[in-house]
Amino acid sequence: DQQVKQNSPSLSVQEGRISILNCDYTNSMFDYFLWYKKYPAEGPTFLISISSIKDKNEDGRFTVFLNKSAKHLSLHIVPSQPGDSAVYFCAAISLKGNNRLAFGKGNQVVVIP
Amino acid sequence: DVKVTQSSRYLVKRTGEKVFLECVQDMDHENMFWYRQDPGLGLRLIYFSYDVKMKEKGDIPEGYSVSREKKERFSLILESASTNQTSMYLCASSPRTGPRAFFGQGTRLTVV
Repeated sequence: DQQVKQNSPSLSVQEGRISILNCDYTNSMFDYFLWYKKYPAEGPTFLISISSIKDKNEDGRFTVFLNKSAKHLSLHIVPSQPGDSAVYFCAAISLKGNNRLAFGKGNQVVVIP
Repeated sequence: DVKVTQSSRYLVKRTGEKVFLECVQDMDHENMFWYRQDPGLGLRLIYFSYDVKMKEKGDIPEGYSVSREKKERFSLILESASTNQTSMYLCASSPRTGPRAFFGQGTRLTVV
């Protein structure tokens, strides 16, 4: 049973505009939520994370918002750049549990120059 | 800079062969993981390890085994490779306290 869900498998956005990626989860015991970015033929790289006790975390062009009551988080990329074209994975972890990340299926983002 | 290194970027093996995928990390992490990535299925956990000689099954362990004899090294073994094991394999490590995992560059395995 999938604990982390990413709908809308692909997104196309014009360069300079905002990209918004959404993620839903079912396990209220998750302590942290993370976003990873993956280019083809490479391993995922960490992008940004947020603790379950916060509702927003920002790092440069990337902001993650967490809505615990809705069990929903989103990643905003502003402004989008061609180099942001990649697959983005949402992940969650419970540090009191087995300390393994649960991943969503990923969203393909294409930024059009 | 932290590093997780997988022994091969690309590998082609024949059906029925025994295949070893090696992973080494230099961060003294306790946790190590093996995932496979397939289109539309995301990252699926095969096996993970909390410590030397410890292993736990993930979501799709069938057809695989693992070995962790040293803290820095985690091996994935395909006992008898089959074509449905053609995939991108990703190794990761994380500290005991988490939460962030660091990934290797991946091994694209093709079984013919």
